[in-house]
Amino acid sequence: GAGVSQTPSNKVTEKGKYVELRCDPISGHTALYWYRQSLGQGPEFLIYFQGTGAADDSGLPNDRFFAVRPEGSVSTLKIQRTERGDSAVYLCASSFTGGLTEAFFGQGTRLTVV
Amino acid sequence: DAKTTQPTSMDCAEGRAANLPCNHSTISGNEYVYWYRQIHSQGPQYIIHGLKNNETNEMASLIITEDRKSSTLILPHATLRDTAVYYCIVRPEAFQGGSEKLVFGKGTKLTVNP
Repeated sequence: GAGVSQTPSNKVTEKGKYVELRCDPISGHTALYWYRQSLGQGPEFLIYFQGTGAADDSGLPNDRFFAVRPEGSVSTLKIQRTERGDSAVYLCASSFTGGLTEAFFGQGTRLTVV
Repeated sequence: DAKTTQPTSMDCAEGRAANLPCNHSTISGNEYVYWYRQIHSQGPQYIIHGLKNNETNEMASLIITEDRKSSTLILPHATLRDTAVYYCIVRPEAFQGGSEKLVFGKGTKLTVNP
């Protein structure tokens, strides 16, 4: 595919459950970002990968949130013990090298915790 | 990161120019001005960025004041498909010690009317 792909597009889970959200970046893009967006708000930064390593994880709200990118391509955002407040659209973006290059965003995963 | 101030909403007639202002009075010398937009239910889309010179591409023009404390995004002939939330972001070049992340505010909701 030509763009950033996120799966699933929608996820409904019960409070307390564990969820994984997947991001397939554009091929060759070394930089990958995760954001989350609540209704009526702009996207909120969570974490940034350069290759396999998390270069900036300052936006992760607490230790229930974790993200990996083991081979420098696909990334998984993992949320443990989900809470209703985690309900949001989770956006992934990738860019060729980071820096001044534009970031391409996926369509997002809408997570609903009930 | 420098903060930006944008009007909450704006309206524009189809076919007319849309001029979206942004104040970034605390911008530093190494910070760039970026514009992204987000059409309903989609991920953000890069529009344009600049440092101090005016920039133009196929989507829009970016006018940055000489003191760099404000900028204007211009959509020369707005169409209904330009209805979206427009985000103005300031971001330092990463190799100068800045973070790679894009910090989104609430943006300006632009409505293009027929």
